[in-house]
Amino acid sequence: AQKVTQAQTEISVVEKEDVTLDCVYETRDTTYYLFWYKQPPSGELVFLIRRNSFDEQNEISGRYSWNFQKSTSSFNFTITASQVVDSAVYFCALSESPKAGGFKTIFGAGTRLFVKA
Amino acid sequence: NAGVTQTPKFRVLKTGQSMTLLCAQDMNHEYMYWYRQDPGMGLRLIHYSVGEGTTAKGEVPDGYNVSRLKKQNFLLGLESAAPSQTSVYFCASREAGNPLNTEAFFGQGTRLTVV
Repeated sequence: AQKVTQAQTEISVVEKEDVTLDCVYETRDTTYYLFWYKQPPSGELVFLIRRNSFDEQNEISGRYSWNFQKSTSSFNFTITASQVVDSAVYFCALSESPKAGGFKTIFGAGTRLFVKA
Repeated sequence: NAGVTQTPKFRVLKTGQSMTLLCAQDMNHEYMYWYRQDPGMGLRLIHYSVGEGTTAKGEVPDGYNVSRLKKQNFLLGLESAAPSQTSVYFCASREAGNPLNTEAFFGQGTRLTVV
């Protein structure tokens, strides 16, 4: 069965600090997809990144970076030089391969990030 | 381009009342989902559909029914609302088949309060 664990319920940092949000997942499939979404205070869900299970290359996009490690079943998200606008709830999600019959996207409980000025 | 639209955005129900939430997407997506979001629990999948005329149960299906009579619409029904169904409901859709485009697109959410 799929499972996504975000152990950090809330994180509070001061602006310009770096912060890493942890995500650990469980799946029996060899082909799967991992995602991060951001939910700002306005409530909408914003897609940030997608990774498939065959691509362990880390990715950097501006101040955001993602570290995918299959050996530890983790897909961690780092914000460098955090800003107040980064304050939001961040969700990690897992989707199994359609070939495996898995059409569901399962979400973690989310990590609420507070960035103080 | 509207994307995923949920109707209504807010609703207050009395215990025992029924209602239907409508989700409409204009991206010709095969897969559609209904989630509920509760504090500290993230998004939990209620029901989902992999195509017109098909539906399946998610993690928390009890107390809800769904229908996908048209590809673009996915309806979530509450037959007899209970206070435990007070939540924010999100609909999502995504493409099928192409693994490079499998992220879900979400509606803006429906805040439902059952009193």
